[in-house]
Amino acid sequence: ETGVTQTPRHLVMGMTNKKSLKCEQHLGHNAMYWYKQSAKKPLELMFVYNFKEQTENNSVPSRFSPECPNSSHLFLHLHTLQPEDSALYLCASSQDRTGNTEAFFGQGTRLTVV
Amino acid sequence: GQNIDQPTEMTATEGAIVQINCTYQTSGFNGLFWYQQHAGEAPTFLSYNVLDGLEEKGRFSSFLSRSKGYSYLLLKELQMKDSASYLCAVIDSNYQLIWGAGTKLIIKP
Repeated sequence: ETGVTQTPRHLVMGMTNKKSLKCEQHLGHNAMYWYKQSAKKPLELMFVYNFKEQTENNSVPSRFSPECPNSSHLFLHLHTLQPEDSALYLCASSQDRTGNTEAFFGQGTRLTVV
Repeated sequence: GQNIDQPTEMTATEGAIVQINCTYQTSGFNGLFWYQQHAGEAPTFLSYNVLDGLEEKGRFSSFLSRSKGYSYLLLKELQMKDSASYLCAVIDSNYQLIWGAGTKLIIKP
C-alpha cells in the first residue's frame, strides 16, 4: 500500500463507451500525475496537476480528459478510445512538482479497449 | 533528444549479486531515481542519487557518475521476491522526469 488508491483495477470498454478512472491520495501531496505504461516502453507522462492546477499536458489526445476537483483526487475521463489506448494507467503523487521528491504510485488501472 | 538506456531483461541466481546499468543523455541533470515494480503492482521508490558515488540501503545500492551519464543498481543476496522490473528515471534541467523502459529481472533458484 503506497497511499495512492486507484479504481477500478481493471476496465474493459468499447470504443464508443465513456468511463472514468479515479485516483485518491491522502499523503498531503500537492502534485498529482497521470502516466500511461505500455509493455516494454518507458512510462509516458500524460498530465500533471500542481496545487489543483493543470501544469502539463504532454500532447495527449482529447479523448483523454483529466479533472482535479481537489488536492486529494484526480480523475481521467475516457471517451471514444482506440484499441492502441489499451495500457496500464498509473496515477502518482509527490510532495511538489520540483521533480526531486519521490513519487508514490497507485497500482494502476489495466485498460483494455475492444 | 533525451534518452535513458537500460537492459530489457536480466537473469540471476538466488543468493547471487546482480548489477543493473542505466545510461542517460538528458538536457541537464537534477537527480536520478530507481524504482521497483512487481508485475501488476505499483512502482515503488528504491533510491535517489544526485551526487557522484554509492548510496547503500540494505541489500540494495545505487551508484552515480554524472560525468559518464551512468548509474547502476546493485542487488546483493538475491531473493526470489526480487524478481521484478527496475525502472531508472532522470530529472532533467526542467525538472521533468525522463523514464527508462525498465529492466525485467528474473531470479532463478
